[in-house]
Amino acid sequence: ETGVTQSPTHLIKTRGQQVTLRCSSQSGHNTVSWYQQALGQGPQFIFQYYREEENGRGNFPPRFSGLQFPNYSSELNVNALELDDSALYLCASSLSAGAQLSQYFGPGTRLLVL
Amino acid sequence: AQRVTQPEKLLSVFKGAPVELKCNYSYSGSPELFWYVQYSRQRLQLLLRHISRESIKGFTADLNKGETSFHLKKPFAQEEDSAMYYCALFNAGGTSYGKLTFGQGTILTVHP
Repeated sequence: ETGVTQSPTHLIKTRGQQVTLRCSSQSGHNTVSWYQQALGQGPQFIFQYYREEENGRGNFPPRFSGLQFPNYSSELNVNALELDDSALYLCASSLSAGAQLSQYFGPGTRLLVL
Repeated sequence: AQRVTQPEKLLSVFKGAPVELKCNYSYSGSPELFWYVQYSRQRLQLLLRHISRESIKGFTADLNKGETSFHLKKPFAQEEDSAMYYCALFNAGGTSYGKLTFGQGTILTVHP
């Protein structure tokens, strides 16, 4: 059983560019959540995907969008990058949506916007 | 709006001493709470969740609905407990369904 993996590990972009981050969920998990973690802060929920549909969304603008594929892997896309988007982006997967099912986190992608 | 507060950013204890990491929450429904831990250079991982009423690595946490708290405790701290600890609250309704709301975290340092 493999854990949650994310790619790339690090990324540098310039303001105004677009970025795509990828996440492979743990084997057997159909739910993926994305979080943004700024330096010195706890993770902030961006959105969750369950069986290829967006299942819940936090307070992030529409330029943050996502996809989930039939194999339950997921992408986070951010358009028109801003300096404040610099952060660690975490992906978490779970067996299904629901509080009783624990979320397992990936190692994160560190994004720097210059 | 739901909120999780961890009032201590840093906590230092000596090995063998008791430790308590504080967590208070604000939530209108029935809360589902978790503690996550991040050891140095490792990913965020689940430590325990209140619905399981389990003890992991000697840590326990009791949900106190009256005080809206979910403090993490361990009677005898070990050096390997040094890490960042996050308290998190699950949102089971509305447009933010599936959301874990995290506190800002407490860095625990256990001195030899």
